[in-house]
Amino acid sequence: NAGVMQNPRHLVRRRGQEARLRCSPMKGHSHVYWYRQLPEEGLKFMVYLQKENIIDESGMPKERFSAEFPKEGPSILRIQQVVRGDSAAYFCASSPVGTDSYEQYFGPGTRLTVT
Amino acid sequence: AQSVTQLDSQVPVFEEAPVELRCNYSSSVSVYLFWYVQYPNQGLQLLLKYLSGSTLVKGINGFEAEFNKSQTSFHLRKPSVHISDTAEYFCAVSANSGYALNFGKGTSLLVTP
Repeated sequence: NAGVMQNPRHLVRRRGQEARLRCSPMKGHSHVYWYRQLPEEGLKFMVYLQKENIIDESGMPKERFSAEFPKEGPSILRIQQVVRGDSAAYFCASSPVGTDSYEQYFGPGTRLTVT
Repeated sequence: AQSVTQLDSQVPVFEEAPVELRCNYSSSVSVYLFWYVQYPNQGLQLLLKYLSGSTLVKGINGFEAEFNKSQTSFHLRKPSVHISDTAEYFCAVSANSGYALNFGKGTSLLVTP
C-alpha cells in the first residue's frame, strides 16, 4: 500500500517563476492537507482540501499561493512569482474519509529553493 | 487557537540511556496530542497520539508519552535509546473539533555511542 507521494522531491526556481508541487494521497484517502516548514521552524498548516473543495485555507498567504484537489489526479499547490522567502519544505498529508482519529499521514515533502 | 512549546531544541544522549523530550501546549478547548518523528530528508511518521482515555500512551519503537492536563504537558519518553533514534521529534496539537495540526519547533535528538 503506497504511502503519500509528493513530487518533485526537490525544486529549484528563480525569483519570479512559478512553482507547482504535487501530492497524491494514500489510496482511499480523500482529505488532503498542506503544511510548510520554514528553516528552524515547525510545520505550519496552510490548507485543507477534499475532492473539488477547499475546506479551510486560513493558513495560506493571501497572494500568490493557491491549491486545488481535482476529481481526478493529484492535489496541486501552486506558488506564483516565487520569492526567496518561499524557500521551505512543503509537506502534504492525507487522511481517510470518516476518520475520527485526526491521524494524518505525511508524504516525504518537496524542498523548494528559490534562487 | 492552540500552540505548542518544545522546550529543548537539541537533546544529546548516550546510547542505552533514558531520554525525555518535553512538550507543553496551550489551548482553550479540549485537544488531541501527537508526537511525530522525522528522519533526515524524510516525511513525518506518527509515533503516538492521545485522543482520550488513559493518560499514558504507548507508541512505536518503544516510545511512550503521558498526557498531564493540569500541567498542559505531553512529554515523550524512552527508557533506553538506540543510535537509530537519532532524528527530529515534533509535538503537535489539534482541537478535538478540528483538523489542523499545530506543531512545535521540534527537538533534535542525537544519540551517540
